[in-house]
Amino acid sequence: DAGVTQSPTHLIKTRGQQVTLRCSPKSGHDTVSWYQQALGQGPQFIFQYYEEEERQRGNFPDRFSGHQFPNYSSELNVNALLLGDSALYLCASSAGPDQPQHFGDGTRLSIL
Amino acid sequence: GESVGLHLPTLSVQEGDNSIINCAYSNSASDYFIWYKQESGKGPQFIIDIRSNMDKRQGQRVTVLLNKTVKHLSLQIAATQPGDSAVYFCAENINNFNKFYFGSGTKLNVKP
Repeated sequence: DAGVTQSPTHLIKTRGQQVTLRCSPKSGHDTVSWYQQALGQGPQFIFQYYEEEERQRGNFPDRFSGHQFPNYSSELNVNALLLGDSALYLCASSAGPDQPQHFGDGTRLSIL
Repeated sequence: GESVGLHLPTLSVQEGDNSIINCAYSNSASDYFIWYKQESGKGPQFIIDIRSNMDKRQGQRVTVLLNKTVKHLSLQIAATQPGDSAVYFCAENINNFNKFYFGSGTKLNVKP
């Protein structure tokens, strides 16, 4: 039974570019949340998708957007990349919006 | 050994001793809490959760205690092993929105 999988594992971009990160939830999970984790800090909530809609959003600009597909997989898009967007981006899935979240190993995004 | 979270971000214990990691949460409306373990280069791993209608929950070698009066959460690890070395995060969820807020974590070093 595969857990949460994320791709790619590492990515290097330059300022101003756009990036798309992908997440496949754990089998049986229908809710996906995205987090940004800066070095040495705890994860910060970006947004959550359930039933293909954004249900909750953290304090992130609208350069950060997402999508959930009918198979529950999800994408995180970031436009107009800034140096400060360099971080580990984590996807977490759960069997419902109020159930325990299980994380993937993240995508390490570096902005040059 | 005992940690007070942000004020003592690193906890060193001897293999075989019990560990106590503490977390002070900020919002009295928080009603669901999860402890995560994060090893270097990996995503947070679910350890144990507790809802606000309980004050204690036990798992395999781990116990979580919740004191809502003083907004305090602790994770007790029995017979700490080298494989327990990691950063531990507590995450709080407010009003079932499944939008988890993470602390900055406590690093646990287990000395052989």
